[in-house]
Amino acid sequence: AQKITQTQPGMFVQEKEAVTLDCTYDTSDPSYGLFWYKQPSSGEMIFLIYQGSYDQQNATEGRYSLNFQKARKSANLVISASQLGDSAMYFCAMRAVSGNEKLTFGTGTRLTIIP
Amino acid sequence: EAGVAQSPRYKIIEKRQSVAFWCNPISGHATLYWYQQILGQGPKLLIQFQNNGVVDDSQLPKDRFSAERLKGVDSTLKIQPAKLEDSAVYLCASSLDRGSYNEQFFGPGTRLTVL
Repeated sequence: AQKITQTQPGMFVQEKEAVTLDCTYDTSDPSYGLFWYKQPSSGEMIFLIYQGSYDQQNATEGRYSLNFQKARKSANLVISASQLGDSAMYFCAMRAVSGNEKLTFGTGTRLTIIP
Repeated sequence: EAGVAQSPRYKIIEKRQSVAFWCNPISGHATLYWYQQILGQGPKLLIQFQNNGVVDDSQLPKDRFSAERLKGVDSTLKIQPAKLEDSAVYLCASSLDRGSYNEQFFGPGTRLTVL
């Protein structure tokens, strides 16, 4: 079974500062993928970044980077130079390569950017 | 490229009534997913289709929920009869194919309120 834990229900960050959203995971599968999604108030889930379990380097996409520490089973999202539009719910998710490849989500972190 | 379309966006019904949601995935996407997102939680997979076949419906309450994907394109999710605990956002997603590297694209969701 897979499990995603996001321990920060809410965070407040000053505009232009960097922010780290925590995510830890648990799985017995040797091969898996880790995802971060953003969910604004409109409700749509927006894909941000992906990290494969065998990727040697941490994933980066623009202002988003994933701090992947495999031994600690953590996959924290780092947003640099935060903007007001970054205010939203953020979900960490994982998907095993084997089996039914179901995407399992955490409970999310509500990020609020303060002007 | 058109995204995943869902309708209706909002639905309010009384308990024991029936309701149906519709999803049109991104053109050419073989895999379609229905998720249930209860307030304050991450999305939970209800059912996954590969073309018009079911890959995973282990978390679908089959006594009241049903889903179909005729011709491997559009999909309909039905609840009959609805219960109060079915109040949630129902998200449809699609991906090009199975596999952990395939990004899932989400629709805007249908917010269901059961009174």
